[in-house]
Amino acid sequence: DTEVTQTPKHLVMGMTNKKSLKCEQHMGHRAMYWYKQKAKKPPELMFVYSYEKLSINESVPSRFSPECPNSSLLNLHLHALQPEDSALYLCASSQDSQGTDTQYFGPGTRLTVL
Amino acid sequence: AQSVTQPDIHITVSEGASLELRCNYSYGATPYLFWYVQSPGQGLQLLLKYFSGDTLVQGIKGFEAEFKRSQSSFNLRKPSVHWSDAAEYFCAVGGPSGNTGKLIFGQGTTLQVKP
Repeated sequence: DTEVTQTPKHLVMGMTNKKSLKCEQHMGHRAMYWYKQKAKKPPELMFVYSYEKLSINESVPSRFSPECPNSSLLNLHLHALQPEDSALYLCASSQDSQGTDTQYFGPGTRLTVL
Repeated sequence: AQSVTQPDIHITVSEGASLELRCNYSYGATPYLFWYVQSPGQGLQLLLKYFSGDTLVQGIKGFEAEFKRSQSSFNLRKPSVHWSDAAEYFCAVGGPSGNTGKLIFGQGTTLQVKP
């Protein structure tokens, strides 16, 4: 099974709200990723967790706060977002964080910031 | 610099016709190459990947891709396109470059299928 699940599927929030995105995988993968994707563009890497530790932060604004409670779960906490943060947020996982590993993507959360 | 180029932003083919989507890469080490497909509002689904060995790789949904090192290309092909193949296609390259886990994506090719 190569399934990565994400909840919620859609999220609408105001600029003063606090919300969280959730990602889960049960493939025993030790690397998990958050991507942001705008329409008609490729995914942009935001964060990489390797063995539950943050290994890459692609200079993402602090209003995005990732968390990896355990090896199967990855959260993205959102606070004081801007309308330009509206996008599809994708989670992915891979066996390890080597660039040689296949990344498996979830269906994404469509975020709209009002 | 490491990069992936998909020269065709948009391609339209008739249902039943053959398809080739182009992908060129620039990568300093041994490239690990991937093709993903994305239907509107969905996540990315892996079609196929090339790590080593036979340069012609078979994937899901009847797709195949050929790795040509001399041309730095990894083109995706399908002999007969179905209407359900209409989607966005991304080529990506990764590899053993510093344990970063980063994939470098091309800009994508939008495939439209005419009935």
